[in-house]
Amino acid sequence: AQTVTQSQPEMSVQEAETVTLSCTYDTSENNYYLFWYKQPPSRQMILVIRQEAYKQQNATENRFSVNFQKAAKSFSLKISDSQLGDTAMYFCAFMAALTNKLIFGTGTLLAVQP
Amino acid sequence: EAGVTQSPTHLIKTRGQQATLRCSPISGHTSVYWYQQALGLGLQFLLWYDEGEERNRGNFPPRFSGRQFPNYSSELNVNALELEDSALYLCATATGGTPLPYEQYFGPGTRLTVT
Repeated sequence: AQTVTQSQPEMSVQEAETVTLSCTYDTSENNYYLFWYKQPPSRQMILVIRQEAYKQQNATENRFSVNFQKAAKSFSLKISDSQLGDTAMYFCAFMAALTNKLIFGTGTLLAVQP
Repeated sequence: EAGVTQSPTHLIKTRGQQATLRCSPISGHTSVYWYQQALGLGLQFLLWYDEGEERNRGNFPPRFSGRQFPNYSSELNVNALELEDSALYLCATATGGTPLPYEQYFGPGTRLTVT
């Protein structure tokens, strides 16, 4: 069975600074996908970034980037130039190929301070 | 373009009753996913429907069931409600099923409270 672990329940960062959220996962699958989702307070969950396991290059979306270490089964999210609107719960998620089933971590509540 | 919609926003039921939750996908999306977000348990996958068929199911008892209609909207039914079924139920939709996991777009959720 696959598991996703987020060891940081809460984090805080000053506006304009950089923060890294950690995520590790466990799987015996070789073909899978990893995601970071953001759930702002009382708002809908949205996809932040996605990584295919077969790609060695780390995914980047504007201020968001990942550090994907396949051998270590680690998938951290780096947010650069943090903005107040980045305040949200961030979920790391795993999906084995062909299942379309997202397995979520417990989330990290990120607070961006002005 | 309208996003994923869910109804009702809130639902209050008593133990033993049945609850029906509804989800309308984004136009062009054929896959519907249901997730349960319960306090202390996090987000858990419930069901996946694609082209009217159930494709995958999470570790939930049979009293959790659903269906997908010809217009790709979906219903989640929870029978014989228990207190621990109280949670936020999220629906997500996507353009396709396999082989690629297309991005899942989430709705605002239905808050089910069982008393």
